[in-house]
Amino acid sequence: GQQLNQSPQSMFIQEGEDVSMNCTSSSIFNTWLWYKQDPGEGPVLLIALYKAGELTSNGRLTAQFGITRKDSFLNISASIPSDVGIYFCAGLNYGGSQGNLIFGKGTKLSVKP
Amino acid sequence: NAGVTQTPKFQVLKTGQSMTLQCAQDMNHNSMYWYRQDPGMGLRLIYYSASEGTTDKGEVPNGYNVSRLNKREFSLRLESAAPSQTSVYFCASSAGGGALRGYTFGSGTRLTVV
Repeated sequence: GQQLNQSPQSMFIQEGEDVSMNCTSSSIFNTWLWYKQDPGEGPVLLIALYKAGELTSNGRLTAQFGITRKDSFLNISASIPSDVGIYFCAGLNYGGSQGNLIFGKGTKLSVKP
Repeated sequence: NAGVTQTPKFQVLKTGQSMTLQCAQDMNHNSMYWYRQDPGMGLRLIYYSASEGTTDKGEVPNGYNVSRLNKREFSLRLESAAPSQTSVYFCASSAGGGALRGYTFGSGTRLTVV
């Protein structure tokens, strides 16, 4: 089946640093989504990308839909302690199996004050 | 603003016991999903229901059954719990039509099987 490779698996950074993470696939996706999961909670949608090459921001977060449609990137600028959590990418193919949305394994972010 | 509500939040079962995890959404979404989350494994789809009256297997359906009771409710049943089913279970819903705006998740049920 389709798989998403998300990296890095975990990150330990200092407050104020910028963060970059990415997701790649051997398959093309029509939509890329980025979720954040706070400790003890369910994932919450951060950003949705619908077109190849699209660059979208949500506050300090910026995500890009790769031109090849096989990858996506998420950047967090000037990290703060509340950025701690697990970030998941997800790819969507219309009419695909497994409920359409495929998730990466997540990037666990830790921020030192 | 309830969204997706899961019950219970925590549960401890003995091996062989059965239980049903409940999920309800109030967003009039067509599609609903059950995932399990294990360390290092991300979110794995157990079952989903594309619309009321239909259910389909996901990536890891063995040991589980589901019921789409109505448009709002989608339950997950463990008939004979095993320690390998110790996990955090998430229910999610989407408007369907390719879930263009993603899924809305509940806050999870933390299940321990001893």
